[in-house]
Amino acid sequence: GNSVTQMEGPVTLSEEAFLTINCTYTATGYPSLFWYVQYPGEGLQLLLKATKADDKGSNKGFEATYRKETTSFHLEKGSVQVSDSAVYFCALSRPGGTSYGKLTFGQGTILTVHP
Amino acid sequence: DTEVTQTPKHLVMGMTNKKSLKCEQHMGHRAMYWYKQKAKKPPELMFVYSYEKLSINESVPSRFSPECPNSSLLNLHLHALQPEDSALYLCASSRPDRENEKLFFGSGTQLSVL
Repeated sequence: GNSVTQMEGPVTLSEEAFLTINCTYTATGYPSLFWYVQYPGEGLQLLLKATKADDKGSNKGFEATYRKETTSFHLEKGSVQVSDSAVYFCALSRPGGTSYGKLTFGQGTILTVHP
Repeated sequence: DTEVTQTPKHLVMGMTNKKSLKCEQHMGHRAMYWYKQKAKKPPELMFVYSYEKLSINESVPSRFSPECPNSSLLNLHLHALQPEDSALYLCASSRPDRENEKLFFGSGTQLSVL
């Protein structure tokens, strides 16, 4: 079956530090890959996505590249801010038929950024 | 309007109560979802509705009863819940096609069962 493995947190960084959150996946075929972010007391928001190999998703300074050869989708940001403190979820979706929207999530990584 | 609105934001209920969670979106999305999220865990899919018809039930106990009265509304009826059902219940919507799998989530209802 499908699965997503994220690096264990929590991750604590100082403002302007470089961020990497590792994500690897197991899936048959060609899944779409996502990073969702959840701020305290809120639902999830899509941060970025990639739908095929070598695609790079980017948003708000965050980037992730779909690497089929290493089955990875690592999240990076060059300079984090305090406002980036949140829980980050890597997820995959196997599109087609009734599978759309059926996301498989990683366990989530808590990020705390200090001033 | 790119919002999914959930009410109430917080709910406390006893094990013999009947209550309902409500979800509304006006983005024209024809797929709507209920997810359950326990603290410090990822969301778990419960139900998927496509064009107002139930398409996925992830073996959810019958004390949870979903309803999709129209293309904008999604309800989750609760009856005889257990304390272990306490969680954040998230509603989401999307276009039900391959071209746009982006899910829009509401802020959730924090449910406590006493």
